Amino acid sequence: DAGITQSPRHKVTETGTPVTLRCHQTENHRYMYWYRQDPGHGLRLIHYSYGVKDTDKGEVSDGYSVSRSKTEDFLLTLESATSSQTSVYFCAAALGGEDYGYTFGSGTRLTVV
Amino acid sequence: GNSVTQMEGPVTLSEEAFLTINCTYTATGYPSLFWYVQYPGEGLQLLLKATKADDKGSNKGFEATYRKETTSFHLEKGSVQVSDSAVYFCALPRSGYSTLTFGKGTMLLVSP
Repeated sequence: DAGITQSPRHKVTETGTPVTLRCHQTENHRYMYWYRQDPGHGLRLIHYSYGVKDTDKGEVSDGYSVSRSKTEDFLLTLESATSSQTSVYFCAAALGGEDYGYTFGSGTRLTVV
Repeated sequence: GNSVTQMEGPVTLSEEAFLTINCTYTATGYPSLFWYVQYPGEGLQLLLKATKADDKGSNKGFEATYRKETTSFHLEKGSVQVSDSAVYFCALPRSGYSTLTFGKGTMLLVSP
């Protein structure tokens, strides 16, 4: 399985500030994903990547951007953090588009105050 | 688009009880179906999957059968343990995309 490391694990930030979350994988998986987990909503897809510099939007992409300049790194940026973006963020990776055996990181708990 | 509906939790059981967590789906065609599990403080892990109708997925004593007649993929275990306490997610591919759509999750609490 891909080793997925998310950083930071916890972050508190102020409304209006930009925030970048990092996801690093060690197994050369082509696909990477960012989800957010909220009570009553389960997991919702923010953005995903199907290769270096190839990204697409998910269900809840407003206010978020992503970048993937290397296979192993997938960055999620909150352009101007809002309280509604307080959540737990999970990164995942998979071998290919039809491989749904995702490997997840341990999550980043973000609090926007 | 494709979607799943899970029973709401928490499901509270005593050790060695029988477990059922209901999942029904709406989908175009017959996509693969999945159960993921999230232990406290961790990310999700794939528990089992079924790739076509009538398939049974199984792992760690858990089973789920892909039933197209009832559009269901219920998760079952004959005898739960305290260590099974977790949140369980049903999932299927999002129609037209190489991504998974997850249900809202069902929390299972098992007491000794």
